[in-house]
Amino acid sequence: GAGVSQTPSNKVTEKGKYVELRCDPISGHTALYWYRQSLGQGPEFLIYFQGTGAADDSGLPNDRFFAVRPEGSVSTLKIQRTERGDSAVYLCASSLDHADTQYFGPGTRLTVL
Amino acid sequence: QKEVEQNSGPLSVPEGAIASLNCTYSDRGSQSFFWYRQYSGKSPELIMSIYSNGDKEDGRFTAQLNKASQYVSLLIRDSQPSDSATYLCAVNPFKAAGNKLTFGGGTRVLVKP
Repeated sequence: GAGVSQTPSNKVTEKGKYVELRCDPISGHTALYWYRQSLGQGPEFLIYFQGTGAADDSGLPNDRFFAVRPEGSVSTLKIQRTERGDSAVYLCASSLDHADTQYFGPGTRLTVL
Repeated sequence: QKEVEQNSGPLSVPEGAIASLNCTYSDRGSQSFFWYRQYSGKSPELIMSIYSNGDKEDGRFTAQLNKASQYVSLLIRDSQPSDSATYLCAVNPFKAAGNKLTFGGGTRVLVKP
């Protein structure tokens, strides 16, 4: 079956612009996670959804970052007033429920010029 | 001190030999532990999970967990060039695969023919 998909695969933007990154989880998976991975580092947790609600958003670095999952399936990570330090690969993962293995999508590479 | 620490490598291993990777973690409450493999430019892929002290074997891979010493290791037997990748150690404070994962920085493994 289809895995986790993320769009776009690459996004180049200018400092100060707004970006949206989309994640389409595996069908039927209720839990969805966003991570950020900088070059040479391991992924860093951002936010976790169980269904439509954000169960844990403790990893969001500041209020420029926001994520939604309005219908409990697709999620969008939104970054306002982008900064060069936001450049990274943004990974999405989903699991059947909160107690299951997380499967990662291919990621979106964000470059802020 | 980082929450999850790994030697960044590279760990160079001759083909057919055993690759030994180590990971230490700081949170004594951590109860589930994972090894992910990440090829360059790709997303992490789960290869092993372990929850109890001792060894867990799956094919050529063996995970070892010692909660008293707060370390988890991964052995790759009969290493193949296709095992060349970055191996990420991840821990989760809950006794399940779900919820947020804290990753180490990864160990790069190079298997030489």
